Amino acid sequence: EPEVTQTPSHQVTQMGQEVILRCVPISNHLYFYWYRQILGQKVEFLVSFYNNEISEKSEIFDDQFSVERPDGSNFTLKIRSTKLEDSAMYFCAINKARGKTASTEAFFGQGTRLTVV
Amino acid sequence: AQTVTQSQPEMSVQEAETVTLSCTYDTSESDYYLFWYKQPPSRQMILVIRQEAYKQQNATENRFSVNFQKAAKSFSLKISDSQLGDAAMYFCAYRRRGGTSYGKLTFGQGTILTVHP
Repeated sequence: EPEVTQTPSHQVTQMGQEVILRCVPISNHLYFYWYRQILGQKVEFLVSFYNNEISEKSEIFDDQFSVERPDGSNFTLKIRSTKLEDSAMYFCAINKARGKTASTEAFFGQGTRLTVV
Repeated sequence: AQTVTQSQPEMSVQEAETVTLSCTYDTSESDYYLFWYKQPPSRQMILVIRQEAYKQQNATENRFSVNFQKAAKSFSLKISDSQLGDAAMYFCAYRRRGGTSYGKLTFGQGTILTVHP
């Protein structure tokens, strides 16, 4: 069983619409991350989340993005008003927490392919 | 800021042969981790091997080994006895260790590996 599962696997949305991408880990007490990979390009860090707050975010993670753990289990990435350039693969990743630091290995979900038309 | 560079956009190898993928990085930190991730056509990110910077011994995992040169900030991946299933995009990644480390990964641009039968 994978450490983390993402839903949906593929999402097609119209420009300007809101989308919510979901990540479900097996274990609790985790660091969460969202990464983005535009087709054919490198994987880019978006945001890290621990103890119900954002730990770090990149320049990409602007006001149209938000993250939360609405029910203490799922971890979501919301894009409020999608643009064509948001089309990408979005990966959720987790590290198990060891005190205030993250464990060495990051486990990635299978990704959500977002297509904005 | 840390940067990771993979200068080989594409590499190819004959089945059963050996191939080496290059990676260099830049950091002012002395304690960190380095990783190689494999991304097959399914686009799942799979951890191949990791190296702790404080360890002088090069990491090995079956047919995969690294050549870690800390002074040169070089971290290459050697794949021995290449198999068709090794064909994928390979990403080199960096993560700082210790302090208030939240486990953020910085990725290189990736190298597409083709394995010829």
